[in-house]
Amino acid sequence: AQSVTQLDSQVPVFEEAPVELRCNYSSSVSVYLFWYVQYPNQGLQLLLKYLSGSTLVKGINGFEAEFNKSQTSFHLRKPSVHISDTAEYFCAVTGSNFGNEKLTFGTGTRLTIIP
Amino acid sequence: DAGVIQSPRHEVTEMGQEVTLRCKPISGHNSLFWYRQTMMRGLELLIYFNNNVPIDDSGMPEDRFSAKMPNASFSTLKIQPSEPRDSAVYFCASSPGQLFNQPQHFGDGTRLSIL
Repeated sequence: AQSVTQLDSQVPVFEEAPVELRCNYSSSVSVYLFWYVQYPNQGLQLLLKYLSGSTLVKGINGFEAEFNKSQTSFHLRKPSVHISDTAEYFCAVTGSNFGNEKLTFGTGTRLTIIP
Repeated sequence: DAGVIQSPRHEVTEMGQEVTLRCKPISGHNSLFWYRQTMMRGLELLIYFNNNVPIDDSGMPEDRFSAKMPNASFSTLKIQPSEPRDSAVYFCASSPGQLFNQPQHFGDGTRLSIL
């Protein structure tokens, strides 16, 4: 079985400051990892994904994430946040055993940008 | 290009009534997913289809819930009879291919309130 832990339910950050949203996973097989963003009253949108290859993954809106197998983590980072980054962020994992394990989502981290 | 389209966006109805939620996936996508999002349980996968065939409905909470996909461009999620605990935001998502390592594209959801 696989699971995802997002330790921080809420993260307030001042505008133009850096941010890191933490994600740890548990799986008995190799994994594919995703970060999704949900703006108010909207569905989830893909920010970035790790399938294989380089452990540093760049996504949309200036976000990036680093896959760390030894620490079973996939933290999301942005060097300078904007008001428009206010949203909820979800980490998700699926086993790479043929990719047919259902996607497991974390409980989400609400990012609030303070002007 | 058009994304995943869900209707209605909001539904308020009384307990015991039948509720039908509708979804039009992105053209060319052959996997479709129904999710439920609540504060208490987060994002839960209810059922998913591949090439219009239900593959896994183990997330459907009980027999009051049913889902169909009569063709590649339309799916419904029905609740009959509805109960207050069914109140949630229901999302439909679609993806190319049949594996969970493909990014999922979400609709804007249906906010369902059962009184």
